Amino acid sequence: NAGVMQNPRHLVRRRGQEARLRCSPMKGHSHVYWYRQLPEEGLKFMVYLQKENIIDESGMPKERFSAEFPKEGPSILRIQQVVRGDSAAYFCASSLRTSGGTGELFFGEGSRLTVL
Amino acid sequence: AQSVTQLDSQVPVFEEAPVELRCNYSSSVSVYLFWYVQYPNQGLQLLLKYLSGSTLVKGINGFEAEFNKSQTSFHLRKPSVHISDTAEYFCAVSAAGTALIFGKGTTLSVSS
Repeated sequence: NAGVMQNPRHLVRRRGQEARLRCSPMKGHSHVYWYRQLPEEGLKFMVYLQKENIIDESGMPKERFSAEFPKEGPSILRIQQVVRGDSAAYFCASSLRTSGGTGELFFGEGSRLTVL
Repeated sequence: AQSVTQLDSQVPVFEEAPVELRCNYSSSVSVYLFWYVQYPNQGLQLLLKYLSGSTLVKGINGFEAEFNKSQTSFHLRKPSVHISDTAEYFCAVSAAGTALIFGKGTTLSVSS
């Protein structure tokens, strides 16, 4: 039973380039969450999506960041014109139901973005 | 809105000693509480969760936590730790319809 799959595991970009991070949820899961982890800051919620819908994007920066979860295919977190401050580990999680209930979040191993 | 405070950023202990990792939360509504563990370069794994019912919750790897509503706490405990318990531990809170909010984490370092 495959878990949450994230790729790439490591990504290096130069300032001004675009970064695309992909997340395939666990089989049967229709809820996807993206978190960003910076050293000594824990995990910061970014966005919560269901298939073809953004449910909560209150943690997403207003500019340069976007996320989608299409009907077919993985969820994608896109960062345009990356800056050094975007360097972080980005974690995707999925659940059967909304996490505000009995739904446990299952995490991927993260994508580590380094901006040079 | 909910928030979580993990009171200790680092906890060093010796093998076979007991440990308690502290977590306090704030919320104006009923919450669900979780502890996750993260091993180096890996994702997070659920240790245990409190949804309702008994305030003492038992999880994997011998960990347990107690929900204390009056003190708004959900401290994690283990009576005897192993070297393999060295990891980062995150307390998290959610309410109905909201995403999980995590604390900043506590690094547990177990030495022999």
